[in-house]
Amino acid sequence: KAGVTQTPRYLIKTRGQQVTLSCSPISGHRSVSWYQQTPGQGLQFLFEYFSETQRNKGNFPGRFSGRQFSNSRSEMNVSTLELGDSALYLCASSPTEAGGRSYNEQFFGPGTRLTVL
Amino acid sequence: AQSVTQLGSHVSVSEGALVLLRCNYSSSVPPYLFWYVQYPNQGLQLLLKYTTGATLVKGINGFEAEFKKSETSFHLTKPSAHMSDAAEYFCAVSVSNDMRFGAGTRLTVKP
Repeated sequence: KAGVTQTPRYLIKTRGQQVTLSCSPISGHRSVSWYQQTPGQGLQFLFEYFSETQRNKGNFPGRFSGRQFSNSRSEMNVSTLELGDSALYLCASSPTEAGGRSYNEQFFGPGTRLTVL
Repeated sequence: AQSVTQLGSHVSVSEGALVLLRCNYSSSVPPYLFWYVQYPNQGLQLLLKYTTGATLVKGINGFEAEFKKSETSFHLTKPSAHMSDAAEYFCAVSVSNDMRFGAGTRLTVKP
């Protein structure tokens, strides 16, 4: 199976702009999670989508939003970019099922490196 | 909510020496535990996981970890370090689809 893909891999924006990042999960995976990784804060959970619904959400401002499509592909959007939003944004998919406990093993994409100038 | 603490943000070992990366977790219910590795400019790759059953878990690249409930630990070990093991390692705990990562440990391997 193809792995998790993220586009674009690198992005440069200026403060105040908005950005949309895309993630295609592994075929058959219905759960998609997003993380922000920075040297200072480490890996921080943004949100998780399952069957087009946001199931979990981290502690980020409303400028960070996401969505999931019927084919499980997901996008995240950051509006009014700030310098502190510069980070590696990682997407992960999981074969989580709707009912019962899941292993929640996550498969990560290579990330999108966002630089805000 | 569950949490993970990785002791030591940087660990340096000589090639051929034992690798020991420490991870302690906090969870009110039996957790699932994971170790991931991240190489520069790449995403995270699963090394191994503990769900239920045998507490000694073997993973890829010769790594293993032991789940010790009494110590709430899940330390990662490898008997003999290789140069290619140099990377950042993350311990993670998952409860009910909510995964939390530790701050990471950067492993340096000296020739």
